[in-house]
Amino acid sequence: AAGVIQSPRHLIKEKRETATLKCYPIPRHDTVYWYQQGPGQDPQFLISFYEKMQSDKGSIPDRFSAQQFSDYHSELNMSSLELGDSALYFCASSLRQQGFGYEQYFGPGTRLTVT
Amino acid sequence: AQKVTQAQTEISVVEKEDVTLDCVYETRDTTYYLFWYKQPPSGELVFLIRRNSFDEQNEISGRYSWNFQKSTSSFNFTITASQVVDSAVYFCALSGGSQGNLIFGKGTKLSVKP
Repeated sequence: AAGVIQSPRHLIKEKRETATLKCYPIPRHDTVYWYQQGPGQDPQFLISFYEKMQSDKGSIPDRFSAQQFSDYHSELNMSSLELGDSALYFCASSLRQQGFGYEQYFGPGTRLTVT
Repeated sequence: AQKVTQAQTEISVVEKEDVTLDCVYETRDTTYYLFWYKQPPSGELVFLIRRNSFDEQNEISGRYSWNFQKSTSSFNFTITASQVVDSAVYFCALSGGSQGNLIFGKGTKLSVKP
């Protein structure tokens, strides 16, 4: 079965640089979520999109932005990177039309290291 | 406010022992959903189970079982006859009735030794 695809899997950037993470949801899933997981931490919700419109916003820094495109893939853009942005970034997708509680399936994550 | 508490930070057991991971949640929503995810050392998050607030029926899937009790706001996870491959961090998570995003507990790191 098709899973959530994230690219790149690993990314190394320097402070103050920009990064773009991509997410391709499971086919027919209408909702995409982004989470950030710091070392030894639990995943923290950043932002979500439903049918290409921003749905909910969590603890996403102003330096980050995201969007969902017509083909449902999503991109998380991160600017002015800081050392504290080093984390595992997960994308998850779900089928919200079946209810808010429909299970979210996570991609393998993008490990971002800021040096 | 919504909150998930996993009081056990780390648990270490010997293979074939049974182990229960505790999860306590707080929410004011009448409709909500509870989840368990497994995160092995490789880092991916693997969905294990979803429970909605109207279904208190316990569930068993192979060596895994879940006990949902609304009266105590708990959703505990038991692994029977643990195996080394069960070693991972296990997260309990909650989503409210009108928001789909997950609120995770801090996770419980389970180490199963041979």
